[in-house]
Amino acid sequence: GENVEQHPSTLSVQEGDSAVIKCTYSDSASNYFPWYKQELGKGPQLIIDIRSNVGEKKDQRIAVTLNKTAKHFSLHITETQPEDSAVYFCAASMYRGKLIFGQGTELSVKP
Amino acid sequence: DTGVSQDPRHKITKRGQNVTFRCDPISEHNRLYWYRQTLGQGPEFLTYFQNEAQLEKSRLLSDRFSAERPKGSFSTLEIQRTEQGDSAMYLCASSLGQAAGELFFGEGSRLTVL
Repeated sequence: GENVEQHPSTLSVQEGDSAVIKCTYSDSASNYFPWYKQELGKGPQLIIDIRSNVGEKKDQRIAVTLNKTAKHFSLHITETQPEDSAVYFCAASMYRGKLIFGQGTELSVKP
Repeated sequence: DTGVSQDPRHKITKRGQNVTFRCDPISEHNRLYWYRQTLGQGPEFLTYFQNEAQLEKSRLLSDRFSAERPKGSFSTLEIQRTEQGDSAMYLCASSLGQAAGELFFGEGSRLTVL
């Protein structure tokens, strides 16, 4: 079945630095790749997504890149702020919206 | 509040008891998903409904677990004869449409089995 691997599991950066989280997926039929942010005690919330017909997408300080050949995609956060501290999950989906999630990355932004 | 709501938020039970969780999705959403999340892990897919039809169940969903979505509105997830390994956060999400798109998650129901 579909599997999503995410690295690193923890990431600590200084405020203002960039953060990069990487994921690989196993099923080449996957066509939708969202990123979710989860704060303590809350459910995951979508921050950005990309479909397989696009290589890169940006939204202010957040960008996602997709390499279909290598079956990996990455989240880039620039000019990090303390409020970016949270757990981030990548996910992949083939059909019907069922998401397979990575293991998560705990991002800590130090002021 | 028009988001996904889950009830109860916390449930502590003794091993062997039955528990039921309820999820109220965003009203116009036709799809509803249940996920399970343990500490330090990503959400794991359990089951999925399109309207009232349960279209897929994960191998994680043993026969002690049952989910329903009568009339295609709210959904319930029941766990019978709970085990300590069932302790987790149970997340509900809903979405609209046919193609893959944003899932809107509730804040989850945390289950502790003693």
